[in-house]
Amino acid sequence: GAGVSQSPSNKVTEKGKDVELRCDPISGHTALYWYRQSLGQGLEFLIYFQGNSAPDKSGLPSDRFSAERTGGSVSTLTIQRTQQEDSAVYLCASSFGQGQETQYFGPGTRLLVL
Amino acid sequence: GENVEQHPSTLSVQEGDSAVIKCTYSDSASNYFPWYKQELGKGPQLIIDIRSNVGEKKDQRIAVTLNKTAKHFSLHITETQPEDSAVYFCAASIRYNNNDMRFGAGTRLTVKP
Repeated sequence: GAGVSQSPSNKVTEKGKDVELRCDPISGHTALYWYRQSLGQGLEFLIYFQGNSAPDKSGLPSDRFSAERTGGSVSTLTIQRTQQEDSAVYLCASSFGQGQETQYFGPGTRLLVL
Repeated sequence: GENVEQHPSTLSVQEGDSAVIKCTYSDSASNYFPWYKQELGKGPQLIIDIRSNVGEKKDQRIAVTLNKTAKHFSLHITETQPEDSAVYFCAASIRYNNNDMRFGAGTRLTVKP
């Protein structure tokens, strides 16, 4: 069946521009997660959605980062006024929901800020 | 919060040899421990997981062991093949607390033919 999809797969932008990254979770999965992976590093938790609510935003690195989820499905991660240190792979994962802890990852969006 | 440490950061083995990757965690309440494999240019893929009610789980050439007392768990790959080359991540979380999963820094495994 269809897995988690993310778009775009690659994004090159200029410093100061805003970017939007999209995640389509597995159908029926109510939980959705965003992570950031810098080159050669592990996964840094950013934000978690249960349905359309984000009970945990503690990982967002600054107020330039925001995320929303509508209709309990697609999520968008927005980075405003991008900085070079925002360059990383942004990974999205989904899981069936509370009590179903296995997370399934998408292929990621590779963001390069020039 | 949970803190997961993973060792080694890089591991090189000869094809056919075994590979072992070790992780430690800090929160004794953690009870779910997945392992992910990430190939170049792809997202992490779950390869095996273990819950705290068991000490070992095997799936063909892959096994995971858990020592709750010492708060460490390990991934064992036997009869390694070149296609096992990838970055492996361990993670720990508290079941039913989905947003609290924390990942190790990863191990880059290279299997030489």
